Amino acid sequence: ETGVTQTPRHLVMGMTNKKSLKCEQHLGHNAMYWYKQSAKKPLELMFVYNFKEQTENNSVPSRFSPECPNSSHLFLHLHTLQPEDSALYLCASSPEGTYGGAYEQYFGPGTRLTVT
Amino acid sequence: GQQVMQIPQYQHVQEGEDFTTYCNSSTTLSNIQWYKQRPGGHPVFLIQLVKSGEVKKQKRLTFQFGEAKKNSSLHITATQTTDVGTYFCAGRGGSNYKLTFGKGTLLTVNP
Repeated sequence: ETGVTQTPRHLVMGMTNKKSLKCEQHLGHNAMYWYKQSAKKPLELMFVYNFKEQTENNSVPSRFSPECPNSSHLFLHLHTLQPEDSALYLCASSPEGTYGGAYEQYFGPGTRLTVT
Repeated sequence: GQQVMQIPQYQHVQEGEDFTTYCNSSTTLSNIQWYKQRPGGHPVFLIQLVKSGEVKKQKRLTFQFGEAKKNSSLHITATQTTDVGTYFCAGRGGSNYKLTFGKGTLLTVNP
């Protein structure tokens, strides 16, 4: 039990659909992250939020839209995705207030996304 | 940009054999972290190294940070089936303070 939950755990969507991924952390952390994990590729950092403010957008296509209403919740809104966007999407949180990776990151179980 | 290379990509061992994975950065790191991801699971933090030449041990696992703070290694002594999974290193440093992950080493253990 990591204290970071993600829903849904699995998602199949068509290229014209709109869906959202949800992440919630119960650890009192200040920073939250979205990562993409594809087969045979490193974990790719997508977005970083500190105290609800986006501090990093790692050249992510606009069809991915993050939202962080408070320090405990993080969303990833998806629309008009491509088949190559199929991957495991991982949410993580860490205690630090300023992004820098000085603290360990706690990952959620991930959402396995398939785009058809 | 900062790159973190990890080798080998795959390693298959017999139970009881030792295992080592290596991590190399293109830039000097301020710290390096190691994570383990079990099959079907998510990355779980193992340890963080900060000091040049630092060595830390967790039971059968030994972690090292190079003197130049550009490389690191994870060594497992006498592997067990519970060690199966992908081991990732993640480094932070240089002009980019992002935590950059290596591709990971998938360890399989034959009982």
